[in-house]
Amino acid sequence: DTEVTQTPKHLVMGMTNKKSLKCEQHMGHRAMYWYKQKAKKPPELMFVYSYEKLSINESVPSRFSPECPNSSLLNLHLHALQPEDSALYLCASSQPGSSNEKLFFGSGTQLSVL
Amino acid sequence: AQSVTQPDIHITVSEGASLELRCNYSYGATPYLFWYVQSPGQGLQLLLKYFSGDTLVQGIKGFEAEFKRSQSSFNLRKPSVHWSDAAEYFCAVLHTGGFKTIFGAGTRLFVKA
Repeated sequence: DTEVTQTPKHLVMGMTNKKSLKCEQHMGHRAMYWYKQKAKKPPELMFVYSYEKLSINESVPSRFSPECPNSSLLNLHLHALQPEDSALYLCASSQPGSSNEKLFFGSGTQLSVL
Repeated sequence: AQSVTQPDIHITVSEGASLELRCNYSYGATPYLFWYVQSPGQGLQLLLKYFSGDTLVQGIKGFEAEFKRSQSSFNLRKPSVHWSDAAEYFCAVLHTGGFKTIFGAGTRLFVKA
């Protein structure tokens, strides 16, 4: 299994809603990532978890709250988002410390904030 | 600070023609370099990577890239483009200490019949 699975694929939410994005991988990877990608732009790193501990937070607003319940799951909790937060949210995983430092990406969640 | 520059925002090639996408990096030491491809509305897929050793690396889907330290470049090539290659291509470098992959702005490839 070399897949990273993200749900939902599409999400429309209002600015007062609370929602969560989910990501799952079964490759035994111990690093998991959230990226944000605006249209026609490269992915921008938001958070990195390494061995289930938050390793990098790229100064992301607190309305985005990551969670890593176990080594296979990664969540991104959303609350009080702004329209400018509309983007494709990509989850990725990798195996840290190996010579194979490549990222495996999910297909993303296309988020629209109204 | 590490950075990656892709000078071409978009490129159009004819099907069957050769392709070269440019990438320049800024990095103090030997970089870990990658090329990823993204189809619309999809995640990114790794095409190839360079860590060390042979400067010409082979990837999936018939792509190759050559690391040239003297030119700080890592250009992606394919001898014969197929219509299915139309996508966005990102060059990337792994930040010192790991975990943080820095992406270039991307090059959009259009393939005409």
